[in-house]
Amino acid sequence: DAGVIQSPRHEVTEMGQEVTLRCKPISGHNSLFWYRQTMMRGLELLIYFNNNVPIDDSGMPEDRFSAKMPNASFSTLKIQPSEPRDSAVYFCASSLSGNYGYTFGSGTRLTVV
Amino acid sequence: GIQVEQSPPDLILQEGANSTLRCNFSDSVNNLQWFHQNPWGQLINLFYIPSGTKQNGRLSATTVATERYSLLYISSSQTTDSGVYFCAVEGNMLTFGGGTRLMVKP
Repeated sequence: DAGVIQSPRHEVTEMGQEVTLRCKPISGHNSLFWYRQTMMRGLELLIYFNNNVPIDDSGMPEDRFSAKMPNASFSTLKIQPSEPRDSAVYFCASSLSGNYGYTFGSGTRLTVV
Repeated sequence: GIQVEQSPPDLILQEGANSTLRCNFSDSVNNLQWFHQNPWGQLINLFYIPSGTKQNGRLSATTVATERYSLLYISSSQTTDSGVYFCAVEGNMLTFGGGTRLMVKP
């Protein structure tokens, strides 16, 4: 298996622009998670899906952030409009329910200038 | 939510030395994983270990769920072991500790 695939690997955008991050989970995994990593806050969960349904989005910072999972093999995290404080590494992870552990993608490093 | 504390926060070793990293958590958990974040930022899964002991080469881990802690052992450390080691526990979701930043000097 190719693992969890995220794109792009790096994104530099100007403040106010829309940013879309993409994730393809491991085939057969039924849970998907979006995490954000910053120096100040470490790794924090933004939102997670189970069987394509959003279960907990309490970690989403504000209305500028939205996430979708239209099918079992694809998810997006969108920021509109982006702000410099959104600069971080965004990780996607997937797992199979039943306690088999989480697998993380390589992350997207977002810089908003 | 569950609190996860890791110690030490920073560790410097000479190549060949052994070390023990600790993870304490505040509540019963369904899952515990150890990750290594390498200098390129990738999060590599080391162990899925909700309880018991596992070994993989020079690394081993032990989780004592009843006492709410886990230990990661690194033996004969190498420079490639450098990076940040995270413990993460799952109650309803995976919560990360603050990490241990390890530097192995040649």
